[in-house]
Parts: sequence; C-alpha cells; structure tokens
Amino acid sequence: ETGVTQTPRHLVMGMTNKKSLKCEQHLGHNAMYWYKQSAKKPLELMFVYNFKEQTENNSVPSRFSPECPNSSHLFLHLHTLQPEDSALYLCASSQDATSGSLYEQYFGPGTRLTVT
Amino acid sequence: AQSVAQPEDQVNVAEGNPLTVKCTYSVSGNPYLFWYVQYPNRGLQFLLKYITGDNLVKGSYGFEAEFNKSQTSFHLKKPSALVSDSALYFCAVRVLSGGYNKLIFGAGTRLAVHP
Repeated sequence: ETGVTQTPRHLVMGMTNKKSLKCEQHLGHNAMYWYKQSAKKPLELMFVYNFKEQTENNSVPSRFSPECPNSSHLFLHLHTLQPEDSALYLCASSQDATSGSLYEQYFGPGTRLTVT
Repeated sequence: AQSVAQPEDQVNVAEGNPLTVKCTYSVSGNPYLFWYVQYPNRGLQFLLKYITGDNLVKGSYGFEAEFNKSQTSFHLKKPSALVSDSALYFCAVRVLSGGYNKLIFGAGTRLAVHP
C-alpha cells in the first residue's frame, strides 16, 4: 500500500447524478493531485493543491469540482457528467509541490468511473 | 512544447532476459525525470528518479534507468526480467507551472514478460 486511499473504488452514475470521489493520504504530505486516466491516452493532470491552496486547474470542465478541506483529504465532486468522462480517476500526494522541491508522487488505487 | 515520448506501446521479453523500456523527453532547462509502474487495478508506484549526478539511477525491484543528455533519453532497464514485472510503465518529466511542480507523463508502455 502507498498510504493513499480512494473511495469508492468503482462508481457507476447517470448523467444527471451528483456524486463525490474521496481521497485520503496518511503520509503527512502537503500536496495532493487529481489525475484522469483514459484508455490509450497519457495521464491527464486535473487539479493540484499545495498546502490546501489550488495551484493548478488544467482547463477542467466545471462539472468537476475539487475540494481540499485539509492537507490529508481531497474530494472531487461530480455533476452532470458525460459518457466521455468515464475513466480511472487517480489521486496522488507528494511532500510539497513548490518549485524547489522534487519529491515523487504517491498514488492511490483509483476510482473506476462509468457514466451511463 | 515540453513532452515525454514512449515510442513502444508494448515490449515483449522472455523471463531471464534483459529488458529495456524507452523514454525520450523534451523540456526547457534541466530535466527531472521519473519512472512509475502500474499493476492491474492499482495506482502508479514510484520506481526511480533522476535529479542530478550519476547518469545511472538505481530504483526499486532491481530496475535502473540511464540518463543520456545528448540523446534526451531516460530508458528503463533491468538485467533479468521476471514474469511479475509484467505491468504498465510510465515515464514522466517535471515541468514548472506558475512556480509549482507538475509531472507530464508519457502514454505508457506495456511490458509483457513470458515464462
């Protein structure tokens, strides 16, 4: 185990539903990340939080809404998704995301999301 | 544009043979490079990183990677492959965005080790 947990592991939702993905890290890290992993495509960085402040929003549609209440928890709120949003959503954490640090990221197992 | 390329979708190796998974990069400034592995139904696991210093970097599970600045490459290697090494491997490079680090990943290379 990497010390990063994600729930649920699998989620099926309709396009009109609202759901949330949860990530928790037990590593004492200060930076957390959301990635989208689709088949045959590189990992796409969605959001970055460093010390609870959002530092990156990689042109993600507003139907994805992140929340970082503290350095250990990260949520991804989902509403009115499209079928093309079906993917594996990965959470990661690292010690720090500021430019002077070069820490590796630790990933959770992901949430497999299917939008019907 | 800053990018990472993994030219092979899949690499097939017989158990016990050496393996190489290729990665090339394009970044401005000094490259900071990473390798990750993803087993089925799992997240990515960190294998190794190159920051500075020795061009040969040793990592987890017997893997190593060779940094070659002139060829802008960072190939992953292992002297003797195991069936359990079969997985998806990702190369990544650090880029700066607004004063913060982020990783750009390659598309991944599937390694299949046959008994």
